[in-house]
Amino acid sequence: RKEVEQDPGPFNVPEGATVAFNCTYSNSASQSFFWYRQDCRKEPKLLMSVYSSGNEDGRFTAQLNRASQYISLLIRDSKLSDSATYLCVVNGAGGGNKLTFGTGTQLKVEL
Amino acid sequence: SQTIHQWPATLVQPVGSPLSLECTVEGTSNPNLYWYRQAAGRGLQLLFYSVGIGQISSEVPQNLSASRPQDRQFILSSKKLLLSDSGFYLCAWSLAGVSEQFFGPGTRLTVL
Repeated sequence: RKEVEQDPGPFNVPEGATVAFNCTYSNSASQSFFWYRQDCRKEPKLLMSVYSSGNEDGRFTAQLNRASQYISLLIRDSKLSDSATYLCVVNGAGGGNKLTFGTGTQLKVEL
Repeated sequence: SQTIHQWPATLVQPVGSPLSLECTVEGTSNPNLYWYRQAAGRGLQLLFYSVGIGQISSEVPQNLSASRPQDRQFILSSKKLLLSDSGFYLCAWSLAGVSEQFFGPGTRLTVL
């Protein structure tokens, strides 16, 4: 089983739509969770951290379910500029703050 | 504010040639530093990480090595490149004890 699993997509959605991505992780000892965004041929950029209580940043909402080892990202009112690959990232129990990256979910927002 | 630099941006090298990729961080002290590789269509693979000068941990056995000669400098090297070394090489930094990592612009390496 992969440490972090994501549906690769692509998710093709019209502008203005709401889209949700899910991610599962295998290490129950993981303590930190993130969503990163990666544009084509660019470096990943931190989108948001995911807290146990859930958190929202503008049109983006992230939620964590520790019991099910499941993380989600909701994007409301999708913009063309949201088109990218979204990486689910989990911090393991090892030292040095090592992160494990999912392979990403590709989002394409269309007119 | 902190910035991270990587060079070169792109590189085409023949099989069997040496490699040296450099990463430097500005605006912070004693960062944790990381080297990742992203093969085409695949996820990020952690290659090396460092928590201080001269301290290198290797994650996977491979044809590459890393060094940290200065606090904010991280170098990825190879004596003889293989075709399978092609990929997008990313350097990242984080504050000690903090999980969030921030990436440099990357080096796209093609081995022919």
